[in-house]
Amino acid sequence: NAGVTQTPKFQVLKTGQSMTLQCAQDMNHNSMYWYRQDPGMGLRLIYYSASEGTTDKGEVPNGYNVSRLNKREFSLRLESAAPSQTSVYFCASSGWDSANYGYTFGSGTRLTVV
Amino acid sequence: AQSVAQPEDQVNVAEGNPLTVKCTYSVSGNPYLFWYVQYPNRGLQFLLKYITGDNLVKGSYGFEAEFNKSQTSFHLKKPSALVSDSALYFCAVRQGDSSASKIIFGSGTRLSIRP
Repeated sequence: NAGVTQTPKFQVLKTGQSMTLQCAQDMNHNSMYWYRQDPGMGLRLIYYSASEGTTDKGEVPNGYNVSRLNKREFSLRLESAAPSQTSVYFCASSGWDSANYGYTFGSGTRLTVV
Repeated sequence: AQSVAQPEDQVNVAEGNPLTVKCTYSVSGNPYLFWYVQYPNRGLQFLLKYITGDNLVKGSYGFEAEFNKSQTSFHLKKPSALVSDSALYFCAVRQGDSSASKIIFGSGTRLSIRP
């Protein structure tokens, strides 16, 4: 089924460890986004990529890096994980039909940093 | 700058009763407004949108939303709630129709429908 695929679904890290969250979309969308979701704070934008080859900071970029590997893939890297980065991470994408449907979201990665 | 507010963290409704989830927005120019729903352990799913046209828009699962320009509101409604409607609901606003325009999400409202 067409959509946004995130891996892994769950991850536990120790403080200081690094990891990369993977995201891929097969809808030929130009734009991709990484959000974190915390209780009572809704969705906060970490980084986004308006098109292949470009990335920009969102609301809460500190402690994260991203790579837009190609049009399909947009990865999020935590170089040195901290407990404050415990959250649920969502990847989303949008394309020419975004005015009609907004963003398409992946199912999320639940990350715990201990 | 655009913003969206959901004043209620939680809304509790008895099954069969009407429900309303409130949303107000702030954006310069014409707004593009959305509602999304999130079920447990799932990503957000598109529910409905307002771009232009009728102020009452209909979406999935029997939901509708009323756009009120003077009150800058876009409340989500359903005439008769179901227990299966229990979920987290997000209002969102986008400024303009450019694919480069980002969508801003509200903080979410948890809807709980009791049998």
